Amino acid sequence: AQTVTQSQPEMSVQEAETVTLSCTYDTSENNYYLFWYKQPPSRQMILVIRQEAYKQQNATENRFSVNFQKAAKSFSLKISDSQLGDTAMYFCASSNTGKLIFGQGTTLQVKP
Amino acid sequence: DAGVIQSPRHEVTEMGQEVTLRCKPISGHDYLFWYRQTMMRGLELLIYFNNNVPIDDSGMPEDRFSAKMPNASFSTLKIQPSEPRDSAVYFCASTPGQLKAYEAFFGQGTRLTVV
Repeated sequence: AQTVTQSQPEMSVQEAETVTLSCTYDTSENNYYLFWYKQPPSRQMILVIRQEAYKQQNATENRFSVNFQKAAKSFSLKISDSQLGDTAMYFCASSNTGKLIFGQGTTLQVKP
Repeated sequence: DAGVIQSPRHEVTEMGQEVTLRCKPISGHDYLFWYRQTMMRGLELLIYFNNNVPIDDSGMPEDRFSAKMPNASFSTLKIQPSEPRDSAVYFCASTPGQLKAYEAFFGQGTRLTVV
């Protein structure tokens, strides 16, 4: 079965500091994709970053980067120089053969 | 493209009534998903379609829920009869498929309240 687990229900970080959100997943597929989505209070789901499992290099998007450990099935998100606008719920997700499954989410609060 | 369009944005209904949620995916996307979001369960996948065909409906909670995709540009999620425990935000999402790594585009969601 395809599962995604986020073990941190809530986290907080001071503005300008760095925070890491954890995610583990389980899949029997060899080729799959991993994602981090952000859901601010507006409720809109926004793609933050994407990683293709067959690529060893960790994906980066400006202040957002991932630590992809394929053997450990771990996919953490690092947010550098945290900004107040980063306050949101963050969802980790995996997809293979089209089925997109989400973790339970981590609520991140950035404090001024 | 206007993105994934869901209607209505908010729905308040009485227990026992039929509720129909609507979704228009992004043109050209092969996959369509219905999710339910609650505080207790997070984002649950209810059902997804590939090229208008239901692939996996194992997340549909019970027979009161049904979903259809009569064509590539329209899908419905129906609850009949509705119950208070169905209160949640329902999201529709579409993805372009494997060639573009299944990146999902979400609608704004429908907040359903059953009283």
